[in-house]
Amino acid sequence: AAGVIQSPRHLIKEKRETATLKCYPIPRHDTVYWYQQGPGQDPQFLISFYEKMQSDKGSIPDRFSAQQFSDYHSELNMSSLELGDSALYFCASSNSGLAGVRRPNPRETQYFGPGTRLLVL
Amino acid sequence: AQSVAQPEDQVNVAEGNPLTVKCTYSVSGNPYLFWYVQYPNRGLQFLLKYITGDNLVKGSYGFEAEFNKSQTSFHLKKPSALVSDSALYFCAVRPSDSMNRDDKIIFGKGTRLHILP
Repeated sequence: AAGVIQSPRHLIKEKRETATLKCYPIPRHDTVYWYQQGPGQDPQFLISFYEKMQSDKGSIPDRFSAQQFSDYHSELNMSSLELGDSALYFCASSNSGLAGVRRPNPRETQYFGPGTRLLVL
Repeated sequence: AQSVAQPEDQVNVAEGNPLTVKCTYSVSGNPYLFWYVQYPNRGLQFLLKYITGDNLVKGSYGFEAEFNKSQTSFHLKKPSALVSDSALYFCAVRPSDSMNRDDKIIFGKGTRLHILP
């Protein structure tokens, strides 16, 4: 079965550079979530999108932005990178599947991609 | 504040013995509870979830978890551990309030499970 695809899998950047991470959800999934997992840490929620609109916002720095496109893929844009941004960035997707409901369904399981490992030097 | 606690950083179990990975939570309302497993250098894999109904939930790879509302716990269990079960296990919760804007998952800190051959 198709899974969540993330690209690139590994990325090395220098301080103050920018990075763009991409996430392709499972087909027919309408919701995308971004999480950041620092070394030895639990995943922390950054931001989510449902039907191409931001649905929730967590601990995402102002230097980061994200969007979900018409094909439901999402991109996380990171600017002015700092050493502390080095982490594993996970994307997850789910299928709310509720016609006429304009927000994600918390019952739905989130399926995670393999992650993008970002190293900022 | 909503939170998830995994009191053990590491659990060591001999192969073939039963295992338990503990999880307690603190959220308003009736939560949706999840367990995920993370193998080295891999993404998070869904194991099982509790939404409603039977308190004992069965999931992937022979794992199960028991929801205990009075103790606000959702411990992960397996009757007979395998060496291949060695991994990092995360307990997670989502609030169930339909009016709540938060659709994020709140993860515990993770418990590293070592199955000894």
